[in-house]
Amino acid sequence: AQSVAQPEDQVNVAEGNPLTVKCTYSVSGNPYLFWYVQYPNRGLQFLLKYITGDNLVKGSYGFEAEFNKSQTSFHLKKPSALVSDSALYFCAVRDMNTGFQKLVFGTGTRLLVSP
Amino acid sequence: EAQVTQNPRYLITVTGKKLTVTCSQNMNHEYMSWYRQDPGLGLRQIYYSMNVEVTDKGDVPEGYKVSRKEKRNFPLILESPSPNQTSLYFCASSLSKSADTQYFGPGTRLTVL
Repeated sequence: AQSVAQPEDQVNVAEGNPLTVKCTYSVSGNPYLFWYVQYPNRGLQFLLKYITGDNLVKGSYGFEAEFNKSQTSFHLKKPSALVSDSALYFCAVRDMNTGFQKLVFGTGTRLLVSP
Repeated sequence: EAQVTQNPRYLITVTGKKLTVTCSQNMNHEYMSWYRQDPGLGLRQIYYSMNVEVTDKGDVPEGYKVSRKEKRNFPLILESPSPNQTSLYFCASSLSKSADTQYFGPGTRLTVL
């Protein structure tokens, strides 16, 4: 079965500092990996995804994520945080071989960027 | 504008009173899905559909029904709501028949008393 873990309920960072939101995954085959962001009172918005190829994936709003197969991780990063990045971030995984119908989400990490 | 719409956005009801939450997308997407979001549990899939008249259970289907009679619509039906179905519900769609990049609706906050 596929699963994803976000070990931090909340990440606090000062504006201008780099940020990292952690995600580890478990699948039996090759993973499709996603990051979504949820702003208050809104639905989830797609940020980026990894399917294959370059381990560093660039996405919307200056975010990027690094796929690490040996550590089964897909951490979300941004070089310089903005106050407007404060939101709830979800990692999600799909097993390319067996779980093509299902996207499994993590429990979410709240990012708080202080001025 | 490409979008997924849900109605109603907010609903307070009582135990046992049947309700339907509508979901509609205007992007001609094949795949549609319903999730519920609960604190500490993230998003959990209720049902999904890969095409018209093709639906299947997700991880938490108990107490819910869906239908996919038209490509654009995917209503969620609670025949006899219970308080443990109080949650925030999201509908999503994606272009391919699989769970690829998904576009989410704005959510429906349901309270069952």
